[in-house]
Amino acid sequence: GESVGLHLPTLSVQEGDNSIINCAYSNSASDYFIWYKQESGKGPQFIIDIRSNMDKRQGQRVTVLLNKTVKHLSLQIAATQPGDSAVYFCAENLINAGNMLTFGGGTRLMVKP
Amino acid sequence: NAGVTQTPKFRVLKTGQSMTLLCAQDMNHEYMYWYRQDPGMGLRLIHYSVGEGTTAKGEVPDGYNVSRLKKQNFLLGLESAAPSQTSVYFCASSSNSERQFFGPGTRLTVL
Repeated sequence: GESVGLHLPTLSVQEGDNSIINCAYSNSASDYFIWYKQESGKGPQFIIDIRSNMDKRQGQRVTVLLNKTVKHLSLQIAATQPGDSAVYFCAENLINAGNMLTFGGGTRLMVKP
Repeated sequence: NAGVTQTPKFRVLKTGQSMTLLCAQDMNHEYMYWYRQDPGMGLRLIHYSVGEGTTAKGEVPDGYNVSRLKKQNFLLGLESAAPSQTSVYFCASSSNSERQFFGPGTRLTVL
């Protein structure tokens, strides 16, 4: 979910379980959404994206779901591994109104071995 | 391809000093961006560029200037550093307004 200030929401899962990270976006007109993974001390790394004309997109072990009615985005990670431990950010963009991604506050995923 | 690179990786400044952060990309991307990230928070856009010779303000532009004299480089300048500018700075580039590729970041401390 979204964070406020210095306290990131944290999701703790057991290795091998599925993870679901949620994000509420702000602009109902946004037409592009993207998930990034950020490991400690590194830059954000692209995971998966989705356009507003879709409600689901799958990648390798990851699925993004988009619910435009309630302005909600989720990232599902199947069979979570220790290497998935990181902070995950969602971002939204209104493609024809500029080239700026607006980022959410991030969720920390901790995978217990 | 090196992707997006940033120089320097770390820097400590005293209040009032100036410095320039350099971002370079070798992907021939039109768009480049500068973000700052404060502890436990997401990225906030400082300035961006949609092409060589053009720049625009983002969400938090005050205290920063940028230049895009060459397509592959995007410079972020701090003319008079303040402690509030202590942060991690990320550069990104993209070929359109969608997926952005990020550099490894510059950790800046202003004393």
